[in-house]
Amino acid sequence: GQQVMQIPQYQHVQEGEDFTTYCNSSTTLSNIQWYKQRPGGHPVFLIQLVKSGEVKKQKRLTFQFGEAKKNSSLHITATQTTDVGTYFCAGPLGSSNTGKLIFGQGTTLQVKP
Amino acid sequence: NAGVTQTPKFQVLKTGQSMTLQCAQDMNHEYMSWYRQDPGMGLRLIHYSVGAGITDQGEVPNGYNVSRSTTEDFPLRLLSAAPSQTSVYFCASSYGTNYNEQFFGPGTRLTVL
Repeated sequence: GQQVMQIPQYQHVQEGEDFTTYCNSSTTLSNIQWYKQRPGGHPVFLIQLVKSGEVKKQKRLTFQFGEAKKNSSLHITATQTTDVGTYFCAGPLGSSNTGKLIFGQGTTLQVKP
Repeated sequence: NAGVTQTPKFQVLKTGQSMTLQCAQDMNHEYMSWYRQDPGMGLRLIHYSVGAGITDQGEVPNGYNVSRSTTEDFPLRLLSAAPSQTSVYFCASSYGTNYNEQFFGPGTRLTVL
């Protein structure tokens, strides 16, 4: 069945270091979304990428969508303690435009001050 | 504007008991979904709805029922709780299609003994 895989599962960094999480889909995706979940909280939408090769930036966060639209990455420059949480990628489940999403397992980021 | 609300926040059940997790949204979203979150598994879609009176199964529907009588409400029923249903349950809503961000509720932490 359709799968979305994320690596790494966990990442511990020193504050100020960079961080990257990778998302790989078994199928071509029409778009990919990224969410952040703080400890004890709920997922919150960060961004959506639609175009092949698209790159978007939000302050210290850089999101990329692969040329084949099967992979994506999130890069955080100079991490801060406020970046702590789990980052999920998600793509459409199935081929039809139903609004259903399939999520990756998430990458949990810990930042040591 | 309360967004997506869920009740209860916490629940403990005994094996075999039934219960309903409540979800409501006040954003007039057509699409609503239920996810469960387990460690290392990310978010998995249980059931979803594209509008009042229309529901469909997600990735892990067994043991759960849903109905959508109004645009605002999307309750999730556990028919006969099992320890494997111990999880955190999130309800989400969106305007629709695969291209719209999902707004998540605060979650219900369920333990089945």
